[in-house]
Order: sequence, then structure tokens, then C-alpha cells
Amino acid sequence: NAGVTQTPKFQVLKTGQSMTLQCAQDMNHEYMSWYRQDPGMGLRLIHYSVGAGITDQGEVPNGYNVSRSTTEDFPLRLLSAAPSQTSVYFCATRQGQLYEQYFGPGTRLTVT
Amino acid sequence: QQQVKQSPQSLIVQKGGISIINCAYENTAFDYFPWYQQFPGKGPALLIAIRPDVSEKKEGRFTISFNKSAKQFSLHIMDSQPGDSATYFCAASPPGSGGYQKVTFGTGTKLQVIP
Repeated sequence: NAGVTQTPKFQVLKTGQSMTLQCAQDMNHEYMSWYRQDPGMGLRLIHYSVGAGITDQGEVPNGYNVSRSTTEDFPLRLLSAAPSQTSVYFCATRQGQLYEQYFGPGTRLTVT
Repeated sequence: QQQVKQSPQSLIVQKGGISIINCAYENTAFDYFPWYQQFPGKGPALLIAIRPDVSEKKEGRFTISFNKSAKQFSLHIMDSQPGDSATYFCAASPPGSGGYQKVTFGTGTKLQVIP
């Protein structure tokens, strides 16, 4: 039982490049979310999903796309990377209306 | 608009001392207040949480105190240990009503417990 896994662990991109951050869970949780963590800013919600085929925007969605074709996977796509997207990205899952969130280990992204 | 304000930003405590981290919220609709603990290079993990119908919750050395009228809650770590050195985030969430409850996080407190 791996819980929530994220790949890659580290990534360096040049401005304008695109990439996909992967998130997978084996807990059969309905809800999945993407957060970014920046110094002094806490965790901010980017996008979230309440089930396969259903996604919605969070607090800071610009420059990111998501899709959810299966319960297990929730990839985050950066369309055209910008230095402002340098951050640590966390995927989290939650079982429906239960409150506790389970976070993955994070992806540290640097955009130069 | 920051709905959950957390202080201090950093904290240094001697081993065996009490660590206190404070949070204040604005949205009176919040009804779930968790604290997350994050070690370097790891994701946050739920430490302890409280609902507004109680004023205090204790789990081992960790206690949440909740003041509904003041819209404040705090984390107390008794007998702080070097292994408690981590970043702590408070958070708040509105009630579930069939949809996704967006969690608002504080900005974090980096705690260092020195021997």
C-alpha cells in the first residue's frame, strides 16, 4: 500500500517548456487535489477533483491543467512553464466528506 | 485574502519546553481546524484536529486550544523534543454539504527544538 505517490521528485524546466507532474493513489479516495507550497505562503489549492471525469479550479489555477480519467491518477500539466511556477507541488487525497487529507511526498520544480 | 493567519513564522524552543503556535481565522463558517506537521522533504501529515464544539483536544504531548468567540486556535507542544523540529501548518475548512470543502492553510511555523 503505497498511499500517494508523486513523480518526478525534482524537475528543472526552461521557461516555455511544458511538462506533466504525476500523482497516483491506491487508497480508492474520491477526492484529489493539487497544491503548491511557496515560502511564507502556506499551501495554495491549484485544482481539485471529486471523482473521475470531474475537476474544478482552486485558488491559483492559471497556467495549469488537470484531468482525471481514473480514480487512481490525477496529473497536473504545466502548459508553458514560467519562473513564477517555481515551487514545491503536493498532491493530496481525501475520502469523500471525511476531512483528513493525505499528501504525497512532493515534486520540487524549478523554472529557469 | 488570507483567511487564516498564523504566528510566529519561526520558533526556537529548548528541549523540554512548551512550543505554542497561534492561528486566527475570519470565516465563521469554518467547522474543522486541523494542524499538519511537515518534515523537510516530506509532505504534510495530519497531526491533530478539532471541531468548534469543544474548547480543547489533547493527543499525547499535542494539544489544540480553541476559542470560538475570538476566532482563534492554537497548538501547544508539551515537553518539546528535537524530533518535533518541523514546519507546522494550521488550517480551516467549511462544513461538508455534498461538495468539495476547500481547506485554507496558514503560512506555516518552522519549529526548531534545541537540545
